Amino acid sequence: GIQVEQSPPDLILQEGANSTLRCNFSDSVNNLQWFHQNPWGQLINLFYIPSGTKQNGRLSATTVATERYSLLYISSSQTTDSGVYFCAVGQGGSEKLVFGKGTKLTVNP
Amino acid sequence: GAVVSQHPSRVICKSGTSVKIECRSLDFQATTMFWYRQFPKKSLMLMATSNEGSKATYEQGVEKDKFLINHASLTLSTLTVTSAHPEDSSFYICSADRGTSYEQYFGPGTRLTVT
Repeated sequence: GIQVEQSPPDLILQEGANSTLRCNFSDSVNNLQWFHQNPWGQLINLFYIPSGTKQNGRLSATTVATERYSLLYISSSQTTDSGVYFCAVGQGGSEKLVFGKGTKLTVNP
Repeated sequence: GAVVSQHPSRVICKSGTSVKIECRSLDFQATTMFWYRQFPKKSLMLMATSNEGSKATYEQGVEKDKFLINHASLTLSTLTVTSAHPEDSSFYICSADRGTSYEQYFGPGTRLTVT
């Protein structure tokens, strides 16, 4: 099956710093989503981005489908950005999502 | 829009009993619903996919007789953990899609503890 690798596994920042999270996948996809899992376990949809670039406030994402990677940019990080960021992909005619192992982000005040 | 709820948010049960978890799409009709399991500090693993009115499709290694899934309507799917054991303790999360794209929307999760 498709493999999804996220890097880095852990990231510690000072408030106000910028960061880039990466998601590599091993095959072509027709679905790619970025999520933020908060401390209570809720998965919050950040981006649905099988290709192209999107921006939402301080967050933006780019997926280069031909090169099989996606990047999530967080600018001017805040303590509330702390949590685990997951990339998940789906392929072919299947609606199934395969999740990466996540990047744990800690933003210190 | 695209809100998914789960009930209960937390449940503690005794070994050998059964527990039912509900997943509802509140403001849309869900063509397909999914059930995931997440162990502490781990990623999400898909357990099964359910479509309204048909039998669920289980992932390899998931016992269908232990994890009963019913998708009775376009807004409700239930997961019943039968004869629960301590190793079934986990965080169970459901998701749903609207059928207009592949995007999935996730519920808040149910933390199950079996004593």
